Amino acid sequence: SAVISQKPSRDICQRGTSLTIQCQVDSQVTMMFWYRQQPGQSLTLIATANQGSEATYESGFVIDKFPISRPNLTFSTLTVSNMSPEDSSIYLCSVDKGNSGYTFGSGTRLTVV
Amino acid sequence: GEDVEQSLFLSVREGDSSVINCTYTDSSSTYLYWYKQEPGAGLQLLTYIFSNMDMKQDQRLTVLLNKKDKHLSLRIADTQTGDSAIYFCAEIRNYGQNFVFGPGTRLSVLP
Repeated sequence: SAVISQKPSRDICQRGTSLTIQCQVDSQVTMMFWYRQQPGQSLTLIATANQGSEATYESGFVIDKFPISRPNLTFSTLTVSNMSPEDSSIYLCSVDKGNSGYTFGSGTRLTVV
Repeated sequence: GEDVEQSLFLSVREGDSSVINCTYTDSSSTYLYWYKQEPGAGLQLLTYIFSNMDMKQDQRLTVLLNKKDKHLSLRIADTQTGDSAIYFCAEIRNYGQNFVFGPGTRLSVLP
């Protein structure tokens, strides 16, 4: 099964700044997914990242706010841009293991002050 | 779209059984999943069940699936304090295009 290393694990950032979150997978995967978990909420899919093409964003999420890179089949980054306190959440990357479910990174707990 | 529904809280005593319920929406979902999220951690896949099964047992975990009612449950036998976590059910919708989570059930295990 895939192992995902996600970093940073947590950060406290000033409003108006940007944070880039990295996910490294120990095997090649076609698609990587980025989720947001707001405090006390379930997970919401932000976007799907495919290698060699632009990410596909879900309704309510835009590339200018959450730019994503996918330079190869084992790595992706999500940037949270021009942050505000409303962006305080846990951000998780995930890969599809096929029918046996998805594997998640350990998450990045972001606090914007 | 319609929501995946779960009760938000459950408290049980250590040693008792816990039953966490979930109602999903897409009758075409081929797999349904249970994930566990411990405090401050990411999500861990606990178990999953194929839609042509009624039950799956894995050590202390038993998953029951009622396709007619679109109802999924997770039973944890001999619940321990280490089982305290948030449990999410999830379904794959639209023939694999969308992976959707319920709101999560916060399980508290009392000594």
